[in-house]
Amino acid sequence: DQQVKQNSPSLSVQEGRISILNCDYTNSMFDYFLWYKKYPAEGPTFLISISSIKDKNEDGRFTVFLNKSAKHLSLHIVPSQPGDSAVYFCAASAGSYGQNFVFGPGTRLSVLP
Amino acid sequence: EAQVTQNPRYLITVTGKKLTVTCSQNMNHEYMSWYRQDPGLGLRQIYYSMNVEVTDKGDVPEGYKVSRKEKRNFPLILESPSPNQTSLYFCASSLSQGNIQYFGAGTRLSVL
Repeated sequence: DQQVKQNSPSLSVQEGRISILNCDYTNSMFDYFLWYKKYPAEGPTFLISISSIKDKNEDGRFTVFLNKSAKHLSLHIVPSQPGDSAVYFCAASAGSYGQNFVFGPGTRLSVLP
Repeated sequence: EAQVTQNPRYLITVTGKKLTVTCSQNMNHEYMSWYRQDPGLGLRQIYYSMNVEVTDKGDVPEGYKVSRKEKRNFPLILESPSPNQTSLYFCASSLSQGNIQYFGAGTRLSVL
């Protein structure tokens, strides 16, 4: 059973609008979360992180929100740009317990000009 | 330039023919890991290494071997590849377990 779920395999958004990518997890011990972005023929690259002591983290156009009670996090991209078109992976770990990261299946974002 | 280098990038082989995918990092990272990416399943960890001579199984280790004789290198060995090992493989490294990982560009393997 997948511990990290990204229930939308794909998402299309118009350029300039907001993109919201969702991630749900089942393990309540997870305390550190990452988002990675992956372009075709490249490896995933780190985008933004959040630890369980926060409920929001911002980096430029990217904001991650964490709702611990719902075991849910989301990545907001505002405004979306065509260069944001990629596959986005959510990853979680119980870092305090020395555990490895568990990755979700990914969401393919297409930003249309 | 800080990077994780995997070779080869593409590989087509036949069932049972031993192969090695190399991985090297130049960031003096202690932690290294191998993942495979399959449609709908995301990245699944095969093996990881906390430091030189310390390796451990991930979630899907069957059919794979690894070694960590030097800090910078972490090769993935398929002693007898089978078609179900056809996949996209990524090597990654980080300062330590639980830190942000840096990924190689990937190796696409096809086993016929």
